[in-house]
Parts: sequence; structure tokens; C-alpha cells
Amino acid sequence: QLVLTQSPSASASLGASVKLTCTLSSRHSSYAIAWHQQQPEKGPRYLMKLNRDGSHSKGDGIPDRFSGSSSGAERYLTISSLQSEDEADYYCQTWDTGIQVFGGGTKLTVL
Amino acid sequence: EVQLVESGGGLVQPGGSLRLSCAASGFTVSTNYMNWVRQAPGKGLEWVSVIYSGGKTYYADSVRGRFTISRDNSKNTLYLQMNSLRAEDTAVYYCARDDTYDIWGPGTMVTVSS
Repeated sequence: QLVLTQSPSASASLGASVKLTCTLSSRHSSYAIAWHQQQPEKGPRYLMKLNRDGSHSKGDGIPDRFSGSSSGAERYLTISSLQSEDEADYYCQTWDTGIQVFGGGTKLTVL
Repeated sequence: EVQLVESGGGLVQPGGSLRLSCAASGFTVSTNYMNWVRQAPGKGLEWVSVIYSGGKTYYADSVRGRFTISRDNSKNTLYLQMNSLRAEDTAVYYCARDDTYDIWGPGTMVTVSS
């Protein structure tokens, strides 16, 4: 079964960096994923597609502060120089034929 | 400008029906995978349905047999026909493009309540 696992919460200080993790089910460790941001009271926004080799393609207007990387079944989203507007829910998402899957989301608090 | 705009949400009684629309601009719906995703109040994102460019459709177990995804190529619009609605279908419904959801609409709220 295709499953994505995320930690429910994370926190980091203003101006610092944070690395969020999304873990694929072991049988699907080669899959690409996408990262999405949802700010409070807003709809989701596409951040990037992240491949198994760590290469990624970001959406229009996504700042350079957002980057992605991969290691085995883990997919990471790193946000550097944290700003207050980065406080949001972050979802990873993947797909296979006939199915789309979301992780449970990570709520990022900027201290 | 590439964008999606949903409409058709509202308040409906349990057992009722509703049809959501998702109007696309700046790209062609029929040549892309198109998805419906929902978010119940205070909850995470849940995939609902996808229609592939070739027309094949798939559904989440929670809506299969009750919801139908379709598109009108002449109107460049995606639809979600929702029948036999339940309280647990209450959510904001979003449409989104492709496997990576690179374009999202702003969403439309569906409330199922008596």
C-alpha cells in the first residue's frame, strides 16, 4: 500500500532553517513526490516536485529559500531564512496509476 | 494566466446531490490529468478522484459509487457530480492539475447537514 508519513509538527526560529521529512512506504521508495504549502485559512500552493535523486522543479514564484532533497525512501523539504509567512501546514503527495496519496501534513511553527 | 476556479458548493441535506464545476483557463483540461481533492474542517487533504487525459477515471474508496468525475472539453471545465451525500462529505473541495497538483483552485465549500 502506497503510504506517505509525516511528523505532525515542527518548529524553528525566525531566520533559522528547518528540514521537513516525508517517508514513502518501503516498497515505493523510488517514487517522486510533490510538496505543497497551506497557509492558515488559505488553499494549498504547489511548491515543488521532488525526484528520487534529489532533483526538483519548483513552482512559479517559489523563493530560493525552499529546496528539496532525497535519501532512500525519505524526501525532504528544507526552508532556510525562515520568515513569519512560512508558518503553515506542509503536505507531501505522490501518485501511482489510479491512486493519489497525501501525507498527513506537518504543521510548521515559526518561533 | 493559468488558473482553476471551482463553483457549485453549498448546503445540502444528507442523501442529496450537488454538482461542482472547475473552470480552467490558460491550459486545456482534456490534455491533462485533473483531480478533485477535499479537506474536511480542521483535517488534512484527501484525494477524491482523478480523470486522465485519455478519459479513464478513478475514485477514492470513500466516494466510489456515489461521485462521478467528468469534463466538458468545449467548456474547458471539470465536474464532480456528488450523489447520496453524507455528513462526512462536508469539506472544502479543490480541483488541481496533473499528478503533481501544480495548479490548485481556491476551493468551494460543501456542507452536508439537515
